[in-house]
Amino acid sequence: DVKVTQSSRYLVKRTGEKVFLECVQDMDHENMFWYRQDPGLGLRLIYFSYDVKMKEKGDIPEGYSVSREKKERFSLILESASTNQTSMYLCASTARQGNLDYGYTFGSGTRLTVV
Amino acid sequence: AQTVTQSQPEMSVQEAETVTLSCTYDTSESDYYLFWYKQPPSRQMILVIRQEAYKQQNATENRFSVNFQKAAKSFSLKISDSQLGDAAMYFCAYRNLRWETSGSRLTFGEGTQLTVNP
Repeated sequence: DVKVTQSSRYLVKRTGEKVFLECVQDMDHENMFWYRQDPGLGLRLIYFSYDVKMKEKGDIPEGYSVSREKKERFSLILESASTNQTSMYLCASTARQGNLDYGYTFGSGTRLTVV
Repeated sequence: AQTVTQSQPEMSVQEAETVTLSCTYDTSESDYYLFWYKQPPSRQMILVIRQEAYKQQNATENRFSVNFQKAAKSFSLKISDSQLGDAAMYFCAYRNLRWETSGSRLTFGEGTQLTVNP
C-alpha cells in the first residue's frame, strides 16, 4: 500500500525552538507539498517542491522553510516556533506526468502545539 | 490566483436522507480539475469525487454525485442515502489542468463539517 508518512502524529514544542516536521513518501513522486489546516480556514499551502532541491513558496511561507535533499523526503522547518504556528500540518505528494491527474496522497497529519 | 469558497461551515442530515454541500470557485483558467475530499476523525484525506472542467457530464461515484455549473463556477456535492460513516469534514478543492510547477498545487475551500444523525 502506497504511503505518505509523517514522522509525528502529535508534537508539543516551546516558543523559540527550531522544529522539524518530516514527511516521507514511497511512491517515487516528484511533487510534494506542505499544507497547514486551521478551523474555518481550510488547508493553506505553505511550500511545495517539484524536484529534489527545488522548492516554491505557497500562500503562507512566512516563518517556515523547507528542505528536499532526497526525492522521497520533504521536511518543513519552523525556524523559531511561535504560538501562532500551533496547527495541524499535512504533507501530500503526487506524480508529475504531463497533464494527467495521478491523484494526491496525503499523510495523516501532525498536530503541533507551541507553548 | 484561484480561490475556493465553501459557505456552509456545518451541515447535518438524517441517516438515509440526501444532503448537498455547496462550493464556489473563482479562476480565469478554462481547463482545470475540481475535487471533493473527505477527512474523517482519523485525519486521512480521502478523495470522494473528481470533475474535469472540459467534461460537461457531472461525475458520479456510487452515492456521491456533483452538480458542476461551469458558467456559474459552482461545484456542489450531493450525498444520497447518507450513512453514519459519511460523517466527516468535506473539502472542495481546485487544481489547474496544466502541470508546470505551480499548476500541480491544490487550492482548498474552508471545509464543511457534516454530521449524520441516526
